[in-house]
Parts: sequence; structure tokens; C-alpha cells
Amino acid sequence: AQSVTQPDIHITVSEGASLELRCNYSYGATPYLFWYVQSPGQGLQLLLKYFSGDTLVQGIKGFEAEFKRSQSSFNLRKPSVHWSDAAEYFCAVGSYNQGGKLIFGQGTELSVKP
Amino acid sequence: DTGVSQDPRHKITKRGQNVTFRCDPISEHNRLYWYRQTLGQGPEFLTYFQNEAQLEKSRLLSDRFSAERPKGSFSTLEIQRTEQGDSAMYLCASSLWTGVGNTIYFGEGSWLTVV
Repeated sequence: AQSVTQPDIHITVSEGASLELRCNYSYGATPYLFWYVQSPGQGLQLLLKYFSGDTLVQGIKGFEAEFKRSQSSFNLRKPSVHWSDAAEYFCAVGSYNQGGKLIFGQGTELSVKP
Repeated sequence: DTGVSQDPRHKITKRGQNVTFRCDPISEHNRLYWYRQTLGQGPEFLTYFQNEAQLEKSRLLSDRFSAERPKGSFSTLEIQRTEQGDSAMYLCASSLWTGVGNTIYFGEGSWLTVV
């Protein structure tokens, strides 16, 4: 079955510290991978995406993610977290074979300590 | 370029009433998607259109739910005889499907509370 797992429901980091949010997927077809961010009561904003090519992708707001096929992972990283990064982060997977629709993980809530 | 617009942003309705949500996608996007998100969960796929054709419906989309995209532009999602379990955020998204990469852009969502 196709699935996306975000093992960490809630993470707290200090402002200025580095961040890594984990994402593992199980998908039969060649996956497209995404990270979205959601502030309370708001829609989803695209942070970055991976379709093919370079496995390290850069996104907005200083985020990056690395696709590791052998580990079925697509972890999100940021070298220095800002208080405004506090939000819910969702990893999602899709493919051409699935009509492009996305399967989402349950999300990781990020809190930032001053 | 405006983003995906959804209306209304919030709706409170009594159980048994019908509600309709509207979505205006990014112009020239040929695909339009509806997702549902409950508290503490990731969005779940409901249905999607390519132009005016509804190509797929999830099993989550019961007979009380109907979605249309009559002219291949805006879309409506109607829920008939609402139940408390329908309380959720309904997210609309759109993309320009090229068959290679498909970046999906989401709207701000429509919150539904059934009392």
C-alpha cells in the first residue's frame, strides 16, 4: 500500500538551531516528493519539490531536502531555525501513474523556543 | 498571478443542511483537486478534474458529496444532508498537468463545522 510516514508528531527546537524533519514513503511507482508547510487555520504552502535529477533540492525560506531512494526517505532540513518557522509540516508523495494526486503524511508540528 | 481562491472560508451549518463550497483555481491550470483535512491529520484526497472531466473519486466521497467543474474553470463541492463527521477543512488545489512533473498549489481552505 502507498503511504507516507512522518515519524515525529511534534518537534521543539531552539531558535537558531538546525532542524531535520523526517519523511519515509512506500510507493510502487517512481515518486514525486513534496514538502508543504501549514500555519494554523491556513492552507498549504509549497516549500520544495523533487521530480528527478539532483537529489538535493532547495526550497523557499532556506529549506532543503534530500531524496534518498535506497532509504525511501525525503528529509527536510534547515540550518538555522527562525521563530516564524513554527508551523505544521507535511511530506507528500505523488506520481504520474496516480494522476498526480498526492498522498500526505500525518504532519510534524514544529515549535520554536526563543 | 492570483492563487487558488476558496469561498466561503468558514461555514457553520446545522446537521442535515446542505452546503456548497466554491473553488477558483489558478488561471490556465487544467487540473483541480479537492482534499479534506481533519484536525491533526494530513489532507486526504477526495476527487480531481482535468478540465471539466472528473477523472477520479476517492472512496471517502460518499453519495452525499458531489463535485462539479462545469466549464473547466471554477469548481463546486456540495455536501448534502451534512453530518457531524463532515466537520473538516476542505482544501482545493490546482495544477498544470504536463505529464512530467505536477506541482499542486493549494488554496486557503474552507472550514466546515456541523452542529
